[in-house]
Amino acid sequence: GQQLNQSPQSMFIQEGEDVSMNCTSSSIFNTWLWYKQEPGEGPVLLIALYKAGELTSNGRLTAQFGITRKDSFLNISASIPSDVGIYFCAGHPGGTSYGKLTFGQGTILTVHP
Amino acid sequence: SQTIHQWPATLVQPVGSPLSLECTVEGTSNPNLYWYRQAAGRGLQLLFYSVGIGQISSEVPQNLSASRPQDRQFILSSKKLLLSDSGFYLCAWSLVITDTQYFGPGTRLTVL
Repeated sequence: GQQLNQSPQSMFIQEGEDVSMNCTSSSIFNTWLWYKQEPGEGPVLLIALYKAGELTSNGRLTAQFGITRKDSFLNISASIPSDVGIYFCAGHPGGTSYGKLTFGQGTILTVHP
Repeated sequence: SQTIHQWPATLVQPVGSPLSLECTVEGTSNPNLYWYRQAAGRGLQLLFYSVGIGQISSEVPQNLSASRPQDRQFILSSKKLLLSDSGFYLCAWSLVITDTQYFGPGTRLTVL
């Protein structure tokens, strides 16, 4: 089956630093999604990407849908303490899979003030 | 705008007891609905999904079951809980024509 490799598994950074994380797939996806999850809460959608090469921003967050359709990255600029959480990528191959997503294992982000 | 609710927020149950978790969506019609389990804060495992009332597909064999009695209501059940059923249960919805899923706040289940 499809697998998503998300890296890094964890990051410890200083406030103000930029962050970059990525996901790679063994097969082609038609949709890439990035979520953030805080302790005890459900994942919140940050950015959705629907087209190869698409670059989308949401405030200090920027994500790109890779040209090969097998990867995506998420950048966070000028990190702040409230960026702490687990970031998940998710992908969907399209077709008739009824929206079943494949998730990465998550990147745990810690920001030191 | 659409909202998704889950209850209860937390639940502690003894082994062998029954389970019923509820999820409801407001502000949309005929959504796809999903139940996930998340262990130890990492990795989401899809348990069930539904594309319409009474239509349930199971992804993982287990002692859990799901039902969709109404268009915007999704229920996760068990007749007898196991210790291994402990975890964080998340409900999600999506529009039929897109793959983007939106998650509820989750239910923390502890089986003792």
